Amino acid sequence: EIVLAQSPGTLSLSPGERATLSCRASQSVKTNYLAWYQQKPGQAPRLLIYDTSRRAAGIPDRFSGSGSGTDFTLTISRLEPGDFAVYYCQQYVSSPLTFGGGTRVEI
Amino acid sequence: QVQLQESGPGLVKPSETLSLTCNVSGDSISSFYWSWIRQPPGKGLEFIGFISYTGSTNYNPSLYSRVTISIDMSKNQFSLKLRSVTAADTAVYYCTRVGGSGYFYWGQGTLVTVSS
Repeated sequence: EIVLAQSPGTLSLSPGERATLSCRASQSVKTNYLAWYQQKPGQAPRLLIYDTSRRAAGIPDRFSGSGSGTDFTLTISRLEPGDFAVYYCQQYVSSPLTFGGGTRVEI
Repeated sequence: QVQLQESGPGLVKPSETLSLTCNVSGDSISSFYWSWIRQPPGKGLEFIGFISYTGSTNYNPSLYSRVTISIDMSKNQFSLKLRSVTAADTAVYYCTRVGGSGYFYWGQGTLVTVSS
């Protein structure tokens, strides 16, 4: 099983700042099959990024994903008030599909 | 755009079977793979398993012995059964559509509490 470690656990930033979230895999995520989700309180997760760097439909371009092998990053270039949430990474290169423990982005 | 709606009892007794159904609208269930994911209160996400439109399944080994996911093409629905539940199975259960090679589009989720 591929274990995903997200860091930091909590990121305290202000609107307009840049957020950099890390996701490190215990084994190589070949073919870059890694996704990112945003979850707000009381809501279901929402797909942001898939295949490491492809934005899902309707996701603004201030969200970007990058990385390869075992190290992946989600960057939010300029935080808006609605971006304060928990973010999860997920790998789908091998079964069982697994998620990271999440990074909370707070004001 | 696909819409997913979970339904089922919100309270299940210990040792009994948790049963949920996901109604799919806006997409044909015969075109994609479908899955269940859960999230205990205040915790992270756990993949339960997925099913293809052909009925083939893939389950998380941690739940394999207790889980069955099935599909009903005539009703455009798929279902989850989790047997012998305990308090540790208390969670929000999400049904999802599987995109590409394994990312997810989510339903709104339903809270299932295991308690006597």
